[in-house]
Amino acid sequence: NAGVTQTPKFQVLKTGQSMTLQCAQDMNHEYMSWYRQDPGMGLRLIHYSVGAGITDQGEVPNGYNVSRSTTEDFPLRLLSAAPSQTSVYFCASRPPGTGIEQYFGPGTRLTVT
Amino acid sequence: AQSVAQPEDQVNVAEGNPLTVKCTYSVSGNPYLFWYVQYPNRGLQFLLKYITGDNLVKGSYGFEAEFNKSQTSFHLKKPSALVSDSALYFCAVRDIHYNTDKLIFGTGTRLQVFP
Repeated sequence: NAGVTQTPKFQVLKTGQSMTLQCAQDMNHEYMSWYRQDPGMGLRLIHYSVGAGITDQGEVPNGYNVSRSTTEDFPLRLLSAAPSQTSVYFCASRPPGTGIEQYFGPGTRLTVT
Repeated sequence: AQSVAQPEDQVNVAEGNPLTVKCTYSVSGNPYLFWYVQYPNRGLQFLLKYITGDNLVKGSYGFEAEFNKSQTSFHLKKPSALVSDSALYFCAVRDIHYNTDKLIFGTGTRLQVFP
């Protein structure tokens, strides 16, 4: 299994541009999440999904959209990039169940100029 | 509101000495608690978790953590540190009353093990 994969690994955007961060998992996990990691702030939840067709907002959803059309994929869309969205983005997945740990992807480092 | 505190930004320890990375939490009910480690330019890796049962939890790479309900703490420990343990460590909590995936992370503690 490849686990959780993310593309691209690095991206530079100009303010106002849009892009999609890709996340895929091959473990048939129902739960998937997107986090952003900023220095001194730990990881903050952006959006999450408990299954195909079901998404919900996390702690910092503004400026981001998600959709979940398949179990495997959970893309994160930046509609109009802003410098405040410069961050490292992590996707995670886990199977359903009580107290199950998450599996994280390697991350995407995004810089918005 | 749920929260996690990691009071130390950095912990320095000599190789071979015991190490402790501190974590305290606040939830309205009983917690699910996790420790993750992040090596440079990598994603987070799961170390261990507390769900219920024995307060001393053993995990990967020789790490363990002790759940203390009265002190609302879940400190990470290792009897003998290795240089290769140097990394960023995150504590996380989920409130079992919420049937969501809202995992709350601490701000992280950088562990530096010196030879």
